Amino acid sequence: DQQVKQNSPSLSVQEGRISILNCDYTNSMFDYFLWYKKYPAEGPTFLISISSIKDKNEDGRFTVFLNKSAKHLSLHIVPSQPGDSAVYFCAASWVNSGYALNFGKGTSLLVTP
Amino acid sequence: AAGVIQSPRHLIKEKRETATLKCYPIPRHDTVYWYQQGPGQDPQFLISFYEKMQSDKGSIPDRFSAQQFSDYHSELNMSSLELGDSALYFCASSLGPGQRGAETQYFGPGTRLLVL
Repeated sequence: DQQVKQNSPSLSVQEGRISILNCDYTNSMFDYFLWYKKYPAEGPTFLISISSIKDKNEDGRFTVFLNKSAKHLSLHIVPSQPGDSAVYFCAASWVNSGYALNFGKGTSLLVTP
Repeated sequence: AAGVIQSPRHLIKEKRETATLKCYPIPRHDTVYWYQQGPGQDPQFLISFYEKMQSDKGSIPDRFSAQQFSDYHSELNMSSLELGDSALYFCASSLGPGQRGAETQYFGPGTRLLVL
């Protein structure tokens, strides 16, 4: 069963605006949540992560918010740039599983000029 | 900075043949993970190794085996290939458990396997 869910297969945003990608999870044992960006025919590229003991982590234009009570996290990209157009995967792991990643199905982000 | 290296990048095999995929982790990374991504699917965890020992096992078929060598590179051996094995196979590496940043995996470019 899918323990990490990304319910929006695609998202289109204008350049300069905020992109918000959402992710829900079912397993309360997860210790870490990570976001990866993927271009076709390339491997996933790590973007940003957050520990389950935090509710926000920021790195440049990328901010991840975690709401443990709702089992929900989101990635905010501000401002969005055309180069951000890619598939974004949400992933989660926990220490007792050796940090093996459970991925969502991805959200395809298109940033238009 | 050095990244994860995978070889070959592309592989074409016939049904019932065998294939070996190789992965060279980032220097100082002692943990390796293998994932399989089918068309239009999310990556699925197969197996992982830490310090040459298997650390966790996911949805890896019995026809597949893997190992990690003394130089920390890893090989995924796939036998009796089936059409359904056609997929992208990613290797990722990380620092070992207990090290700061161990939860972050860095992925290689993948091996695209096509079984005919």
